[in-house]
Amino acid sequence: QVQLVQSGAEVKKPGASVKVSCKASGYTFTGYYMHWVRQAPGQGLEWMGRINPNSGGTNYAQKFQGRVTMTRDTSISTAYMELSRLRSDDTAVYYCARVYCEVSCYEDYWGQGTLVTVSS
Amino acid sequence: SYVLTQPPSVSVAPGQTARITCGGNNIGSKSVHWYQQKPGQAPVLVVYDDSDRPSGIPERFSGSNSGNTATLTISRVEAGDEADYYCQVWDSSSDYVVFGGGTKLTVL
Repeated sequence: QVQLVQSGAEVKKPGASVKVSCKASGYTFTGYYMHWVRQAPGQGLEWMGRINPNSGGTNYAQKFQGRVTMTRDTSISTAYMELSRLRSDDTAVYYCARVYCEVSCYEDYWGQGTLVTVSS
Repeated sequence: SYVLTQPPSVSVAPGQTARITCGGNNIGSKSVHWYQQKPGQAPVLVVYDDSDRPSGIPERFSGSNSGNTATLTISRVEAGDEADYYCQVWDSSSDYVVFGGGTKLTVL
């Protein structure tokens, strides 16, 4: 069965960086794009960007360009999202989600989420 | 950038029908997906490509999309349907994914 298991909660100081991992199992990792989506406390879902695990190609939402880096390690079927220059408003739960494409593309499986808290 | 507009909240009595709208410019030309999110949990896909249901999602969940409005309809609402619901599309002009602001469904 498809599973996406994310790394544990993080507490970071403003200005620091955080790297969240997402280990995939139950499917061919390189066959599906991966999205990263975040959710601030009490707020809605916010798309951060995508990575093509096969090529490593990325597309980042404009809001995060220059601060976010999405990478992958195909040898261990793991995707990563690194966010730098953290601010207090980056406090959120960060999700990875597998992207299924047929007629269109949508997230069919999600990780459990990783809480990142930014606080001095 | 493309904007999706949802009502912040919808309330419905058990057994009744809930309709959650998602407005966007000519959204009828796009494929709309709907996600259910319960407190403390990751989102779950409930409708994709406007009106298709993933396996395991009850037939009570259905969707439609035309003009400037897409609609998620939940028939015979149950207490367990209480959750936040988000619509989502892919904006081809920017190659970005866009989420609506979310609608909190309350079962009275």
